[in-house]
Amino acid sequence: AQKITQTQPGMFVQEKEAVTLDCTYDTSDPSYGLFWYKQPSSGEMIFLIYQGSYDQQNATEGRYSLNFQKARKSANLVISASQLGDSAMYFCAMREGRGYSTLTFGKGTMLLVSP
Amino acid sequence: ETGVTQTPRHLVMGMTNKKSLKCEQHLGHNAMYWYKQSAKKPLELMFVYNFKEQTENNSVPSRFSPECPNSSHLFLHLHTLQPEDSALYLCASSQDYSLNQPQHFGDGTRLSIL
Repeated sequence: AQKITQTQPGMFVQEKEAVTLDCTYDTSDPSYGLFWYKQPSSGEMIFLIYQGSYDQQNATEGRYSLNFQKARKSANLVISASQLGDSAMYFCAMREGRGYSTLTFGKGTMLLVSP
Repeated sequence: ETGVTQTPRHLVMGMTNKKSLKCEQHLGHNAMYWYKQSAKKPLELMFVYNFKEQTENNSVPSRFSPECPNSSHLFLHLHTLQPEDSALYLCASSQDYSLNQPQHFGDGTRLSIL
């Protein structure tokens, strides 16, 4: 079974609008961390935001916020006031807390922001 | 200096060539990683090094050989590659394995095998 599922291969949004990118995850570990990364066409993976499984509040970083619904095992990324420069691939990733582990990535969502 | 630097950015090589990819991090991190990113597939973890010691080899073919001489540098030596090895190779580093530590990535090396 996939540990990270991103069901939207592509999303379109107009500049200045908000957009939500979906991510669901699968783990039996009570301790885990969720990450979102942005990958522009240049290739670099840019860390955006982190949410820990025990965090009481949803994470926010500037225009990025994470809609964390633990019972539903979802960690959707919300980008407010989209900008043209937000056009990129977006990856959701998880690290589980059972000893040593690395990041497991989803397949990504391509976001295109139009003027 | 950017946090994680990879060279070269692009590499075209024949199947019989030997080449090396280089990664350098200036973040004072202790863990370094190699990932392979092929079209329409999730990132695939290849190797993990922690304090210069290899802690994970994710069933990678022996034609890929990593080297980590110190905590700041990571190499991926390539030999007798196959066309299916064409991909973007990303290097990353993190402070350690703590749950909340993000991995910081380089720009990647786009590798094409002729």
